[in-house]
Amino acid sequence: AQSVTQLGSHVSVSEGALVLLRCNYSSSVPPYLFWYVQYPNQGLQLLLKYTTGATLVKGINGFEAEFKKSETSFHLTKPSAHMSDAAEYFCAVSITGANSKLTFGKGITLSVRP
Amino acid sequence: KAGVTQTPRYLIKTRGQQVTLSCSPISGHRSVSWYQQTPGQGLQFLFEYFSETQRNKGNFPGRFSGRQFSNSRSEMNVSTLELGDSALYLCASSPGTESYEQYFGPGTRLTVT
Repeated sequence: AQSVTQLGSHVSVSEGALVLLRCNYSSSVPPYLFWYVQYPNQGLQLLLKYTTGATLVKGINGFEAEFKKSETSFHLTKPSAHMSDAAEYFCAVSITGANSKLTFGKGITLSVRP
Repeated sequence: KAGVTQTPRYLIKTRGQQVTLSCSPISGHRSVSWYQQTPGQGLQFLFEYFSETQRNKGNFPGRFSGRQFSNSRSEMNVSTLELGDSALYLCASSPGTESYEQYFGPGTRLTVT
């Protein structure tokens, strides 16, 4: 079975500062990894995904993540935080492509200080 | 393309009642998955339907059921509602064949009193 660990429930950064949200996964087979963002009273929006190939993946809104198999990690970064980045972020893992079940981490709330 | 739509957006039910939630996937998508989101348990997978067949199922009691129609629209039903069923229910659609992204709807907020 697969699982996702997102350490900490809340991260606060200043506007313009680096954003780093951590995600570690456990999977017995090569995983597919995702980051989703959720704004208040909304559904989830896909930020980026790793399936195969390049381990550094770029997503929307300036976010990127690097798949590190040796560390079983898929941390999300953004060089410069913007106020509009304040939201809840979820890391998720899937073990197959055609079978769409996602296993999510607990989520991290990102606050951005002016 | 229109996104995933869910109806209703908000629902208040009494313990013991049953409820049906609806999801219309993105046009052309054949897979619909359902998730329950609560503050305590986070996001949990309920089930997935592909071409009218349940393809995968999470660890929820039999009170939770679903179905998918030939036009890929899906419904989920919860019978004999309990207070703990209060949650945001999210529907996600994907093409369903070797495609990894899931696209989520805005959710239905169910409150059980």
